[in-house]
Amino acid sequence: GNSVTQMEGPVTLSEEAFLTINCTYTATGYPSLFWYVQYPGEGLQLLLKATKADDKGSNKGFEATYRKETTSFHLEKGSVQVSDSAVYFCALGGSTLGRLYFGRGTQLTVWP
Amino acid sequence: SAVISQKPSRDICQRGTSLTIQCQVDSQVTMMFWYRQQPGQSLTLIATANQGSEATYESGFVIDKFPISRPNLTFSTLTVSNMSPEDSSIYLCSVEELEGNYGYTFGSGTRLTVV
Repeated sequence: GNSVTQMEGPVTLSEEAFLTINCTYTATGYPSLFWYVQYPGEGLQLLLKATKADDKGSNKGFEATYRKETTSFHLEKGSVQVSDSAVYFCALGGSTLGRLYFGRGTQLTVWP
Repeated sequence: SAVISQKPSRDICQRGTSLTIQCQVDSQVTMMFWYRQQPGQSLTLIATANQGSEATYESGFVIDKFPISRPNLTFSTLTVSNMSPEDSSIYLCSVEELEGNYGYTFGSGTRLTVV
């Protein structure tokens, strides 16, 4: 079946620290992979995506590389800011799957 | 990317009543999805709505509780019926965009509190 396993949170970091949130997946076919962010009291926003193996998605200093050999799509940022505090969701989808499959979400809190 | 207008943004409802949530998309889309996000949890798919056919419900969700309409390619509604406090959640609609920049776009969500 299709599923996403996301590292447990919450994650608490100091400003300018390095961030990694692990995400692995199980999927049939050739899915696309996504990271969504949900700021407090808001809906879901697409942070970045990758549609095929070895693609790197990037946005706002965040990066993630679609690794088919390790079935992973880990989210990284070199220097987090207080404004990055939010919940981050890893997800897989694609036209062969139709819907999105979400990980459990990781709460990130960044302290000044 | 498609723009989705979801209404209402929030509501407080009495138990036993029903609430209808609307999603309007600014372009034609084949598939629309309805999700529920319970407090502190991830998103759970309720159903997939295709225009001109019955919605397809996920395990644990039934049409009598969550009736869905999809009258055209730009609009859908989800009704939460006979509400109880356990229905207090954020409800989100989403579309899959196959044209241009591929991906999934979400409405801003409806925060429902049942008292």
